[in-house]
Amino acid sequence: TQLLEQSPQFLSIQEGENLTVYCNSSSVFSSLQWYRQEPGEGPVLLVTVVTGGEVKKLKRLTFQFGDARKDSSLHITAAQPGDTGLYLCAGTGSNDYKLSFGAGTTVTVRA
Amino acid sequence: DTEVTQTPKHLVMGMTNKKSLKCEQHMGHRAMYWYKQKAKKPPELMFVYSYEKLSINESVPSRFSPECPNSSLLNLHLHALQPEDSALYLCASSQVSAFGGGPLAEQFFGPGTRLTVL
Repeated sequence: TQLLEQSPQFLSIQEGENLTVYCNSSSVFSSLQWYRQEPGEGPVLLVTVVTGGEVKKLKRLTFQFGDARKDSSLHITAAQPGDTGLYLCAGTGSNDYKLSFGAGTTVTVRA
Repeated sequence: DTEVTQTPKHLVMGMTNKKSLKCEQHMGHRAMYWYKQKAKKPPELMFVYSYEKLSINESVPSRFSPECPNSSLLNLHLHALQPEDSALYLCASSQVSAFGGGPLAEQFFGPGTRLTVL
């Protein structure tokens, strides 16, 4: 099993502030996904990154895949209460059927 | 249609009951998954079906029995569960590569079934 370390575990910020979530591993991943999950709902796929050094933007969200494909980050600019949720990174390596999930980051954006 | 549906949304059952969870997708995905998720934890893989055949069983107790009747449907049959089996059960699906035959990484999740075992 390839381990993904996700940090921080919890983030509580004021509306309008920026935040960054990190996902790190000692293993190389062929691709990495970021999901957001609200309480009582299933994870919703935000983005998939596959190329080392890749940067993808989704409105106020910026996702980066490390050059060595061992780490990734999610940056939210000017966070809004609607960004509140559990953010999960998940990677695929040698066994494409199995997603290795990070422990998750619970983000709370206060109005 | 780009969604995975799951029924029921909530389920309460006793330890002697038999119940089933259902999952459906119409995205043409040929890989389907069952996950178990405890509060504020990441999902844990239970089973994977590829082309309607069981590909992975993550050493799940036999009181959980998966079934894939066709390429769009996935069931999870429950019998003699324990209170510690209470959790959110998630179904997911993904495409399968036309070249290597393995699944593509993007998994799409359903909303889950909140299961409570009394």
